[in-house]
Amino acid sequence: GQSLEQPSEVTAVEGAIVQINCTYQTSGFYGLSWYQQHDGGAPTFLSYNALDGLEETGRFSSFLSRSDSYGYLLLQELQMKDSASYFCAVPGYQKVTFGTGTKLQVIP
Amino acid sequence: DSGVTQTPKHLITATGQRVTLRCSPRSGDLSVYWYQQSLDQGLQFLIHYYNGEERAKGNILERFSAQQFPDLHSELNLSSLELGDSALYFCASSQGGVETQYFGPGTRLLVL
Repeated sequence: GQSLEQPSEVTAVEGAIVQINCTYQTSGFYGLSWYQQHDGGAPTFLSYNALDGLEETGRFSSFLSRSDSYGYLLLQELQMKDSASYFCAVPGYQKVTFGTGTKLQVIP
Repeated sequence: DSGVTQTPKHLITATGQRVTLRCSPRSGDLSVYWYQQSLDQGLQFLIHYYNGEERAKGNILERFSAQQFPDLHSELNLSSLELGDSALYFCASSQGGVETQYFGPGTRLLVL
């Protein structure tokens, strides 16, 4: 089976940097995805890491270490609109397992 | 706008009833996935269809069923509804790979 662990809540200041961690246990591993979901909204795809290392997309970066079964999402220059839930997800064979999500609150 | 559409947006019904949720994937996407999200919970994978064929099942109750039609739209049928079935139901689509999915706006189901 698959299981993913993320912190339930994180608070950070506007303009700062925040890191959201995800550790996983899987029976087969293809890569790690990240999604953002605002309250009442639909999840939105952010990034996918198939290989170890850092992938950067604008203010957001995602990192993967297969040997440590660990990844993180890094958000820089935080804006109030970044307040949302962030889910890591492990694609498996024909399906995806999502973590329970990290609620990020950005404060002024 | 992801390009995935879901109807209806909201649904209020009574216990014991049956409802059908509809999803149209993005143009060109062959895969449709259904998820259930209860209050403050993560996304629970229900079922995946690819080009009309069932590809994977998650923790989907026997009271729930789904299908994907030749025009690639999909329907999720929920029957003998219980209070605990109240949740947000999302569908997502992809071209084929599971790692990048595009979600619809969801259907909020309330069972009274």
